[in-house]
Amino acid sequence: EDQVTQSPEALRLQEGESSSLNCSYTVSGLRGLFWYRQDPGKGPEFLFTLYSAGEEKEKERLKATLTKKESFLHITAPKPEDSATYLCAVQAGNTDKLIFGTGTRLQVFP
Amino acid sequence: DADVTQTPRNRITKTGKRIMLECSQTKGHDRMYWYRQDPGLGLRLIYYSFDVKDINKGEISDGYSVSRQAQAKFSLSLESAIPNQTALYFCATSGPWTGVSLGEQFFGPGTRLTVL
Repeated sequence: EDQVTQSPEALRLQEGESSSLNCSYTVSGLRGLFWYRQDPGKGPEFLFTLYSAGEEKEKERLKATLTKKESFLHITAPKPEDSATYLCAVQAGNTDKLIFGTGTRLQVFP
Repeated sequence: DADVTQTPRNRITKTGKRIMLECSQTKGHDRMYWYRQDPGLGLRLIYYSFDVKDINKGEISDGYSVSRQAQAKFSLSLESAIPNQTALYFCATSGPWTGVSLGEQFFGPGTRLTVL
């Protein structure tokens, strides 16, 4: 069964304290892995798509990487405005459907 | 203006009532989706549509129905609401797969539904 697991469930960081969020997956034939950011009371906002192992993408303080079993979202020198829930999703096989993890709730305090 | 809009944003209803959630998009996408989000369970797909004539069940379609009135409009109905359908509901759209992109999904702001 296709599955996506995110860890940790929650993470508290001090401003400037870099860290990583993990997304591990077991799917048949990965087509792509997506990262989204979700603020409270809002819909998920697209961040990145990764297609193959070894691929990396960056956006401001965020960098996403992909291996054959997991993806990491690295946050460098986070700011309070980076506080949000970060969702990982995979698209597998010959399907348009996304399988989502349950997210990591990140809090960055001054 | 937002690319994907949902109405209503909040709704409280009673068990047994019929309720419709509406989604409209201006992105020109053919593909539209309905998800529900519950604490600890993540986003789960209810129904999806690749075009006006194509409707498909997702992983949790029981108790729900949908209507694709036009390319830009996709409605979700709860025929007889029950308390365990209390959740946050999201509509999403995406473009087609291309040689470069899988067609990222873009989400609306959500509808918070409470069934008493």
